[in-house]
Amino acid sequence: SYVLTQEPSVSVAPGQTATITCGGDNIESKSVHWYQQKPGQAPVLVVNDDSDRPSGIPERFGGSNSGNTATLTITRVEAGDEADYYCQVWHTDTDLYVVFGGGTKLTVL
Amino acid sequence: VQLVQSESEVKKPGASVKVSCKTSGYTFTKNAINWLRQAPGQGLEWVGWINTNTGDPMYGQGFRGRFVVSLDTSVSTAYLVIKSLKSEDTAIYYCAREEADVGTPPLDSWGQGTLVTVSS
Repeated sequence: SYVLTQEPSVSVAPGQTATITCGGDNIESKSVHWYQQKPGQAPVLVVNDDSDRPSGIPERFGGSNSGNTATLTITRVEAGDEADYYCQVWHTDTDLYVVFGGGTKLTVL
Repeated sequence: VQLVQSESEVKKPGASVKVSCKTSGYTFTKNAINWLRQAPGQGLEWVGWINTNTGDPMYGQGFRGRFVVSLDTSVSTAYLVIKSLKSEDTAIYYCAREEADVGTPPLDSWGQGTLVTVSS
């Protein structure tokens, strides 16, 4: 099975840049999607296909993917960005299936 | 685009539960529907997926056998049935729409979630 590894928590001061990573074997060969989940709410797609932003997502949210690590970057962090963030890929062995990282709790200090 | 799920359920161990996901605002058969599970305080797990055009399902490891996904295209609704419920099935279950016509698509719209509680 394919495993995605995220740091459990990241803390950042308002106005600074938050970096959340997602590690996986040769992850650069896959398209990585990122979701934001605030307490009591359903996840929301914030970055798709490594670095694209869905309509309505601020330009402060960006992504990259190289080697064994994909990265979600949030610039000029605001209090409202405090949430859990999950990376996701599709993986094929005998079947095609969805894999999520364990999630990263972003705390805005 | 809207995905509206059924209300919370409380069931006893061994019983079954059916969660619905009613969609609107798009052509139902153009986008596959995925089901996800989130146990209390835990991350997201992929339960499975159903092709809304063919009705073909696929299940994640650990979700084969007791979990069944189905459709009613006449009412643009997907369903998840969980049989022989166990206490560890207690979780929020989400449905989510895949972006259409993409090889490895993101889940671009989500239902609000349905809490299933299994308790004697």
